[in-house]
Amino acid sequence: EPEVTQTPSHQVTQMGQEVILRCVPISNHLYFYWYRQILGQKVEFLVSFYNNEISEKSEIFDDQFSVERPDGSNFTLKIRSTKLEDSAMYFCASSRQTGKNGYTFGSGTRLTVV
Amino acid sequence: AQSVTQLGSHVSVSEGALVLLRCNYSSSVPPYLFWYVQYPNQGLQLLLKYTSAATLVKGINGFEAEFKKSETSFHLTKPSAHMSDAAEYFCAVSESLGNTGKLIFGQGTTLQVKP
Repeated sequence: EPEVTQTPSHQVTQMGQEVILRCVPISNHLYFYWYRQILGQKVEFLVSFYNNEISEKSEIFDDQFSVERPDGSNFTLKIRSTKLEDSAMYFCASSRQTGKNGYTFGSGTRLTVV
Repeated sequence: AQSVTQLGSHVSVSEGALVLLRCNYSSSVPPYLFWYVQYPNQGLQLLLKYTSAATLVKGINGFEAEFKKSETSFHLTKPSAHMSDAAEYFCAVSESLGNTGKLIFGQGTTLQVKP
């Protein structure tokens, strides 16, 4: 069964550093998403991406965040200057269509900002 | 605005007992509804989904859920719990019209299965 692959599985970074979280969505999927889950809290939507542009973003997704699909296979989330409160599990997801088909999630990247 | 409420952050059942995890939603348009399961240190796995066809939806691992519009509910059930069902369960909603695919998740329910 096709999978969404995320790397790295764990990342520790110092506050103020830039991090890039990487995702390889399922190859024939057209819609891409990032979600995050702070420890003990619910999964929160960050951003959706379609046709090489952001289609929707949440209030969390401020100027410190950016997404990119640099080469047609990878989908990245960049945090320019990490803060302690960015520590969370970040999930990438992809889908062929929006809405009813559901989404395939990756296993996540646990980001720890120290 | 859409929202999801999962009643009970922790549910404990005995092995072989009925599992009932509650989910209520609010949506201004007909929703798509999903249940996801998260095992420790793993990602989110789709259990089942409601997409405006049959109101009783069967999923993987013996789980099913019933969409009740009048009650704005989508509760998850399984007749007989297994030890392997112990995990975190998330209910999520997505709008069916003109949406970008954003999922709104509930807080999650931790299911504990006692031997």
